[in-house]
Amino acid sequence: DAGVIQSPRHEVTEMGQEVTLRCKPISGHNSLFWYRQTMMRGLELLIYFNNNVPIDDSGMPEDRFSAKMPNASFSTLKIQPSEPRDSAVYFCASSLAGLGSYEQYFGPGTRLTVT
Amino acid sequence: AQSVAQPEDQVNVAEGNPLTVKCTYSVSGNPYLFWYVQYPNRGLQFLLKYITGDNLVKGSYGFEAEFNKSQTSFHLKKPSALVSDSALYFCAVRDRAPLVFGKGTRLSVIA
Repeated sequence: DAGVIQSPRHEVTEMGQEVTLRCKPISGHNSLFWYRQTMMRGLELLIYFNNNVPIDDSGMPEDRFSAKMPNASFSTLKIQPSEPRDSAVYFCASSLAGLGSYEQYFGPGTRLTVT
Repeated sequence: AQSVAQPEDQVNVAEGNPLTVKCTYSVSGNPYLFWYVQYPNRGLQFLLKYITGDNLVKGSYGFEAEFNKSQTSFHLKKPSALVSDSALYFCAVRDRAPLVFGKGTRLSVIA
């Protein structure tokens, strides 16, 4: 299996622009998670989905952030408009919840720089 | 609410010496406990987990962790450290929600 796939790996954009991050989870996994990692705040859970349904989006910092999962093999995280403080590494992770599992497998991340 | 604490921001150890990275947890029910490693510019990588059974859990790259219910701890250990073990290590717990991660401990193995 190719693991969790994220694109792009790097994104540099100007303040005010829309940014879309993409994730393809591991085939067969039923849960998907979006995280943000910065030096100041560490690893933060933004939102997670179970069977394509958003379960908890309390970690989404503002209404500028939105996430979708239209099917089991694809999810997006969108920031509109972007701001310099959104600069971070964004990780997607997936897991197969149940039957004693629950470990999450992470993608390589998208490094976002907003200037 | 479930939580984990990694009391050390940084651990330094000489190559060849045993290493320990500490983690304590707080959950209301039976814990599922995990360790992850993050190398520079990479995503978190699953090392090992404790669900039930033996208190000593063996994982990838020669790492192991000991579950101690009375001390609510799940320390990561390795008998002989390698320079290549230098990375950021995260402990995580799951109770009835997604994994909750600690703040991470940076391990530096010195040759």
